[in-house]
Amino acid sequence: GAVVSQHPSRVICKSGTSVKIECRSLDFQATTMFWYRQFPKQSLMLMATSNEGSKATYEQGVEKDKFLINHASLTLSTLTVTSAHPEDSSFYICSAKVGTGESNEQFFGPGTRLTVL
Amino acid sequence: GQNIDQPTEMTATEGAIVQINCTYQTSGFNGLFWYQQHAGEAPTFLSYNVLDGLEEKGRFSSFLSRSKGYSYLLLKELQMKDSASYLCAAMDSNYQLIWGAGTKLIIKP
Repeated sequence: GAVVSQHPSRVICKSGTSVKIECRSLDFQATTMFWYRQFPKQSLMLMATSNEGSKATYEQGVEKDKFLINHASLTLSTLTVTSAHPEDSSFYICSAKVGTGESNEQFFGPGTRLTVL
Repeated sequence: GQNIDQPTEMTATEGAIVQINCTYQTSGFNGLFWYQQHAGEAPTFLSYNVLDGLEEKGRFSSFLSRSKGYSYLLLKELQMKDSASYLCAAMDSNYQLIWGAGTKLIIKP
Protein backbone atom coordinates (compact mmCIF):
# COMPACT_ATOMS: atom_id res chain seq x y z
CA GLY A 1 0.00 0.00 0.00
CA ALA A 2 0.90 3.65 -0.23
CA VAL A 3 3.20 5.09 2.43
CA VAL A 4 2.67 8.35 4.29
CA SER A 5 5.27 9.76 6.63
CA GLN A 6 5.00 12.41 9.31
CA HIS A 7 7.70 14.43 10.97
CA PRO A 8 8.35 14.85 13.81
CA SER A 9 6.88 11.83 15.57
CA ARG A 10 7.01 13.57 18.93
CA VAL A 11 7.44 17.18 19.90
CA ILE A 12 7.47 18.95 23.22
CA CYS A 13 7.28 22.71 23.20
CA LYS A 14 6.68 25.63 25.48
CA SER A 15 3.38 27.45 25.59
CA GLY A 16 3.25 30.29 23.08
CA THR A 17 5.61 28.77 20.54
CA SER A 18 4.70 27.47 17.09
CA VAL A 19 5.14 23.92 15.90
CA LYS A 20 5.23 22.67 12.31
CA ILE A 21 4.27 19.11 11.40
CA GLU A 22 5.04 17.70 7.98
CA CYS A 23 3.06 15.06 6.15
CA ARG A 24 4.54 13.44 3.06
CA SER A 25 3.23 10.85 0.63
CA LEU A 26 6.33 8.87 -0.24
CA ASP A 27 5.38 6.80 -3.25
CA PHE A 28 2.30 8.43 -4.66
CA GLN A 29 0.81 11.81 -5.41
CA ALA A 30 -1.86 12.88 -2.98
CA THR A 31 -4.36 15.31 -4.36
CA THR A 32 -6.07 15.48 -1.01
CA MET A 33 -4.62 15.31 2.48
CA PHE A 34 -6.54 15.31 5.73
CA TRP A 35 -5.46 16.48 9.15
CA TYR A 36 -6.95 14.83 12.22
CA ARG A 37 -6.59 15.36 15.93
CA GLN A 38 -7.16 12.65 18.48
CA PHE A 39 -7.41 13.19 22.21
CA PRO A 40 -6.86 10.26 24.58
CA LYS A 41 -9.56 7.61 24.39
CA GLN A 42 -11.46 9.52 21.73
CA SER A 43 -11.94 8.96 18.04
CA LEU A 44 -10.30 10.87 15.24
CA MET A 45 -11.59 14.39 14.74
CA LEU A 46 -11.16 15.82 11.28
CA MET A 47 -9.61 19.27 11.47
CA ALA A 48 -9.25 20.19 7.83
CA THR A 49 -9.12 18.91 4.28
CA SER A 50 -6.25 20.10 2.17
CA ASN A 51 -6.12 20.07 -1.62
CA GLU A 52 -2.88 20.78 -3.43
CA GLY A 53 -2.61 24.36 -4.57
CA SER A 54 -5.74 25.62 -2.86
CA LYS A 55 -6.78 26.78 0.57
CA ALA A 56 -7.65 24.17 3.13
CA THR A 57 -11.23 23.57 4.16
CA TYR A 58 -11.56 23.68 7.93
CA GLU A 59 -14.13 21.86 9.99
CA GLN A 60 -16.47 23.82 12.20
CA GLY A 61 -14.82 24.92 15.40
CA VAL A 62 -11.26 24.66 14.08
CA GLU A 63 -9.49 28.01 14.02
CA LYS A 64 -7.83 28.49 10.66
CA ASP A 65 -5.54 31.21 11.99
CA LYS A 66 -4.29 28.92 14.71
CA PHE A 67 -3.87 25.79 12.64
CA LEU A 68 -2.17 26.86 9.43
CA ILE A 69 -2.20 24.31 6.64
CA ASN A 70 -0.07 24.51 3.52
CA HIS A 71 -0.38 21.92 0.76
CA ALA A 72 2.36 23.19 -1.49
CA SER A 73 2.90 20.09 -3.57
CA LEU A 74 1.27 16.77 -4.37
CA THR A 75 3.50 15.03 -1.84
CA LEU A 76 3.71 17.48 1.05
CA SER A 77 1.28 19.13 3.42
CA THR A 78 2.24 20.97 6.58
CA LEU A 79 0.26 21.82 9.69
CA THR A 80 1.56 24.65 11.86
CA VAL A 81 0.13 25.01 15.32
CA THR A 82 0.65 28.67 16.14
CA SER A 83 0.96 30.00 19.67
CA ALA A 84 0.46 26.54 21.08
CA HIS A 85 -1.23 26.11 24.45
CA PRO A 86 -1.41 23.08 26.74
CA GLU A 87 -4.93 22.31 25.50
CA ASP A 88 -3.45 21.81 22.02
CA SER A 89 -1.57 18.79 23.32
CA SER A 90 -2.87 15.90 21.28
CA PHE A 91 -2.05 13.25 18.71
CA TYR A 92 -2.10 14.80 15.23
CA ILE A 93 -2.50 12.43 12.31
CA CYS A 94 -2.48 13.15 8.61
CA SER A 95 -3.87 10.97 5.86
CA ALA A 96 -3.67 11.14 2.12
CA LYS A 97 -6.06 10.10 -0.58
CA VAL A 98 -4.99 8.92 -3.98
CA GLY A 99 -6.82 10.50 -6.89
CA THR A 100 -10.17 12.22 -6.75
CA GLY A 101 -13.61 11.40 -5.47
CA GLU A 102 -14.08 7.80 -6.39
CA SER A 103 -10.75 6.54 -5.08
CA ASN A 104 -11.72 5.88 -1.55
CA GLU A 105 -8.95 4.64 0.68
CA GLN A 106 -7.06 7.02 2.92
CA PHE A 107 -3.51 6.18 3.93
CA PHE A 108 -2.49 7.38 7.35
CA GLY A 109 0.76 8.77 8.56
CA PRO A 110 2.18 7.43 11.84
CA GLY A 111 1.04 10.50 13.77
CA THR A 112 2.74 13.25 15.74
CA ARG A 113 2.33 13.49 19.48
CA LEU A 114 2.41 17.11 20.55
CA THR A 115 2.92 18.06 24.18
CA VAL A 116 2.70 21.71 25.09
CA LEU A 117 4.12 22.61 28.49
CA GLY B 1 -27.12 14.83 11.01
CA GLN B 2 -24.37 12.35 10.39
CA ASN B 3 -23.72 9.75 13.02
CA ILE B 4 -21.78 6.55 13.59
CA ASP B 5 -22.54 4.24 16.52
CA GLN B 6 -20.41 1.40 17.76
CA PRO B 7 -19.92 -0.15 21.19
CA THR B 8 -17.36 1.50 23.42
CA GLU B 9 -15.67 -1.65 24.63
CA MET B 10 -15.83 -5.40 24.15
CA THR B 11 -14.02 -8.29 25.78
CA ALA B 12 -13.29 -11.64 24.19
CA THR B 13 -11.16 -14.70 24.81
CA GLU B 14 -8.06 -15.67 22.88
CA GLY B 15 -8.96 -18.13 20.11
CA ALA B 16 -12.61 -17.13 20.08
CA ILE B 17 -14.69 -15.09 17.62
CA VAL B 18 -15.95 -11.55 18.16
CA GLN B 19 -18.30 -9.38 16.14
CA ILE B 20 -18.13 -5.60 16.38
CA ASN B 21 -21.23 -3.83 15.13
CA CYS B 22 -21.54 -0.39 13.60
CA THR B 23 -24.59 1.57 12.52
CA TYR B 24 -24.34 4.71 10.46
CA GLN B 25 -26.35 7.65 9.19
CA THR B 26 -24.70 9.82 6.59
CA SER B 27 -25.56 12.32 3.87
CA GLY B 28 -25.05 10.02 0.94
CA PHE B 29 -22.91 6.94 1.13
CA ASN B 30 -19.72 5.91 -0.61
CA GLY B 31 -18.62 3.00 1.46
CA LEU B 32 -17.84 1.76 4.95
CA PHE B 33 -14.33 1.37 6.33
CA TRP B 34 -12.91 -0.49 9.28
CA TYR B 35 -9.58 0.52 10.75
CA GLN B 36 -7.51 -0.96 13.57
CA GLN B 37 -5.70 1.35 15.94
CA HIS B 38 -3.25 0.28 18.60
CA ALA B 39 -2.69 2.67 21.47
CA GLY B 40 -0.45 5.56 20.52
CA GLU B 41 -0.38 4.62 16.85
CA ALA B 42 -2.18 5.78 13.72
CA PRO B 43 -5.08 3.74 12.32
CA THR B 44 -4.35 0.99 9.82
CA PHE B 45 -6.78 -0.05 7.12
CA LEU B 46 -8.64 -3.33 7.56
CA SER B 47 -11.52 -3.36 5.12
CA TYR B 48 -13.79 -1.47 2.79
CA ASN B 49 -17.37 -2.38 1.82
CA VAL B 50 -19.54 -0.50 -0.60
CA LEU B 51 -21.82 -3.32 -1.76
CA ASP B 52 -24.06 -5.41 0.45
CA GLY B 53 -22.59 -8.63 1.69
CA LEU B 54 -19.63 -10.18 3.38
CA GLU B 55 -15.99 -9.54 2.47
CA GLU B 56 -13.56 -12.05 3.91
CA LYS B 57 -9.87 -11.34 4.36
CA GLY B 58 -8.04 -13.95 6.38
CA ARG B 59 -9.13 -13.91 10.00
CA PHE B 60 -11.09 -10.71 9.49
CA SER B 61 -14.40 -10.32 7.67
CA SER B 62 -16.60 -7.30 7.19
CA PHE B 63 -20.30 -7.18 6.38
CA LEU B 64 -22.46 -4.39 5.05
CA SER B 65 -26.20 -3.86 4.74
CA ARG B 66 -26.85 -0.53 3.05
CA SER B 67 -30.60 -0.71 3.53
CA LYS B 68 -30.14 -1.08 7.28
CA GLY B 69 -27.22 1.32 7.61
CA TYR B 70 -25.35 -1.47 9.36
CA SER B 71 -21.95 -3.09 9.25
CA TYR B 72 -19.99 -5.49 11.36
CA LEU B 73 -16.39 -6.58 11.65
CA LEU B 74 -15.87 -10.23 12.47
CA LEU B 75 -12.58 -11.35 13.97
CA LYS B 76 -11.88 -15.07 14.15
CA GLU B 77 -9.22 -17.07 16.01
CA LEU B 78 -8.49 -14.10 18.20
CA GLN B 79 -4.89 -13.43 19.13
CA MET B 80 -3.56 -11.26 21.92
CA LYS B 81 -2.17 -8.85 19.33
CA ASP B 82 -5.75 -8.15 18.19
CA SER B 83 -6.25 -6.11 21.36
CA ALA B 84 -6.78 -2.64 19.91
CA SER B 85 -9.45 -0.11 19.08
CA TYR B 86 -11.50 -0.76 15.98
CA LEU B 87 -12.81 2.28 14.18
CA CYS B 88 -15.82 2.26 11.91
CA ALA B 89 -15.99 5.08 9.34
CA ALA B 90 -18.57 5.82 6.67
CA MET B 91 -17.79 7.89 3.60
CA ASP B 92 -20.42 10.47 2.76
CA SER B 93 -21.46 11.99 -0.54
CA ASN B 94 -18.49 14.39 -0.40
CA TYR B 95 -16.10 11.46 -0.02
CA GLN B 96 -15.34 12.54 3.54
CA LEU B 97 -14.99 9.96 6.29
CA ILE B 98 -17.36 10.17 9.23
CA TRP B 99 -15.74 8.40 12.15
CA GLY B 100 -17.17 6.39 14.99
CA ALA B 101 -15.67 6.73 18.45
CA GLY B 102 -14.07 3.32 18.18
CA THR B 103 -14.55 0.03 19.98
CA LYS B 104 -11.83 -0.98 22.39
CA LEU B 105 -11.37 -4.73 22.12
CA ILE B 106 -9.79 -6.48 25.09
CA ILE B 107 -8.53 -10.01 24.52
CA LYS B 108 -8.14 -12.24 27.58
CA PRO B 109 -6.03 -15.40 27.66
